[in-house]
Amino acid sequence: DAGVTQSPTHLIKTRGQQVTLRCSPKSGHDTVSWYQQALGQGPQFIFQYYEEEERQRGNFPDRFSGHQFPNYSSELNVNALLLGDSALYLCASSLTVDNEQFFGPGTRLTVL
Amino acid sequence: LAKTTQPISMDSYEGQEVNITCSHNNIATNDYITWYQQFPSQGPRFIIQGYKTKVTNEVASLFIPADRKSSTLSLPRVSLSDTAVYYCLVGDGLNSGYSTLTFGKGTMLLVSP
Repeated sequence: DAGVTQSPTHLIKTRGQQVTLRCSPKSGHDTVSWYQQALGQGPQFIFQYYEEEERQRGNFPDRFSGHQFPNYSSELNVNALLLGDSALYLCASSLTVDNEQFFGPGTRLTVL
Repeated sequence: LAKTTQPISMDSYEGQEVNITCSHNNIATNDYITWYQQFPSQGPRFIIQGYKTKVTNEVASLFIPADRKSSTLSLPRVSLSDTAVYYCLVGDGLNSGYSTLTFGKGTMLLVSP
């Protein structure tokens, strides 16, 4: 079992650009959640996808959007990047919405 | 959501027992207490979860007093590989506690030879 995988591992963008991060859930998992982890902080919940719909959302602006595909993989899109968006973006998957979440290794985004 | 308070950092030596205490004064009746471990450049990993008294698994023990306003994660005989950040989370119910995790800043545990 490959576990949760994320791509790319690292990414460098400039302010104002747009970025797309990808996540493949653990085999058999149908729910994907995204978290943002700034340096020295704990992960902060962005949103959760289940059955291709956004089920819950944290306190993040509309610049952050996502998508879930029929195969349960997911994308996180961030528009109009700000310097403050620099962080480790973590994807977590679970078997339905109320079960233990398994995290991927994350994508390190740097905004210059 | 109940707020948690834990030490920013702790130091230990190999072979020692480490106890990390978390305060959660406003814990609700339905809340469970969950601990996660995170290594650098990796996602958090579930360690243990409990509601009251004591829970033990192959990795750690979790002690929760009767008033549930605090909890202590106990790591027996730590090794260098236990150096990581440990997060204490409080969630509204066993299932909902999994759903959208709210992390604090965690405790950085450094284990030295």
